[in-house]
Formats: sequence, structure tokens, C-alpha cells
Amino acid sequence: DADVTQTPRNRITKTGKRIMLECSQTKGHDRMYWYRQDPGLGLRLIYYSFDVKDINKGEISDGYSVSRQAQAKFSLSLESAIPNQTALYFCATSDSVVAELFFGEGSRLTVL
Amino acid sequence: GEDVEQSLFLSVREGDSSVINCTYTDSSSTYLYWYKQEPGAGLQLLTYIFSNMDMKQDQRLTVLLNKKDKHLSLRIADTQTGDSAIYFCAREDSYIPTFGRGTSLIVHP
Repeated sequence: DADVTQTPRNRITKTGKRIMLECSQTKGHDRMYWYRQDPGLGLRLIYYSFDVKDINKGEISDGYSVSRQAQAKFSLSLESAIPNQTALYFCATSDSVVAELFFGEGSRLTVL
Repeated sequence: GEDVEQSLFLSVREGDSSVINCTYTDSSSTYLYWYKQEPGAGLQLLTYIFSNMDMKQDQRLTVLLNKKDKHLSLRIADTQTGDSAIYFCAREDSYIPTFGRGTSLIVHP
């Protein structure tokens, strides 16, 4: 089983719908992140959490919210999806030594 | 300008060396990284270098860091078709990695 699991892997939805992307990890890491990948733009940080009680906005948090339900679970929500949120979303965890990120396989979201 | 910059494409012949370059603006990073993304997959760490080092070698990979010019490079010796992927440069500040746009490495037979 993957150390960082994202669900769903693919989702097509309509403008205005609420969407939740879920992430769970078995690595025992405290730090978790949500990134968005767009072609030619690289990865941009949406939200990050260093502890269950710690939530921080990243570079592009507008239109998104997160919930850290437990050390192992970090979910990303789009309250009212819009077409420019069509992207590949990655969850990642980090160790405490060299801050290496461990990525999930990604959730591809299409908003029509 | 962008925090971390890298060119978008690099094309090489199989067996040649590949050099992917990256520049960054903030010198406060403790670590700098190279990640690899294969099609349909998440990113995986290839190698990293501590900010007080100039060079790190790991089998076919050589990382060079020029702190004065804020320039990081990744050299892949004897490039193979399996090295075709997107390579991301990243810098870390307070456990928050910031990524470049990624360089697509295309390896021709």
C-alpha cells in the first residue's frame, strides 16, 4: 500500500459544486501539505499543516479550505468549484530532518 | 521574478550528459532539492544538498551549488531513456518547500 493515499484519483464536477479531496498517510509524519500542479506552472502551495492543531495558508489558498482530522488525515475542500480550479492536486508529507516531501499519486480534478 | 526559476525543456541524446539549471532568489534556504516526476505519478526526491555544501555526488547524479550566484544544477551522466521525466528544483525555508516550474527532460535514442 502507498504511504500517502489520495482519494479520489479522478473527479469531474460542475461549477458551483462542493468537492472534497482526501489524503491519508502511514508515514507518521506531522507535516502535511496540499499543492496544486498546472502545466508550465509547477507546484504551488495551497495549505500546509505542521500539527493537528496547526493550519496555514499557502501561496494560493483563496477558494480552498482544509481540515486536519488527525495526524494521518488532511483533506482539501473546494466550497464552490470553478473551472480555473481544474488541476492536478497533490498531498504530501514531510519528515523532520531534511524536509523531504513524500507525495501521493495525485487527484485530477476537472471542473466543467 | 519568480522565487525559483528553471528552463522548461531540455533535449539530449541517450548516453550524453544532461545538465538542468536552477536559480533562486532567497538565500535563507537550509536545503535545496531535486525532485523527479514521471508521467502519471507524484514527485519523488532524487537528491538534496545542504546549503553549506558546494557539491554532492550520488552515482550518476552530481549536484552543484553556487551560493554566491544562487545557482543550483543537476548533472545526469550517461542519460538513459528512462531518465525522461520532469525535474523540479526546490528550495526549503522553515520546512516549506517552494518549487520551480519544472524542466521536461526528453531523451532521444
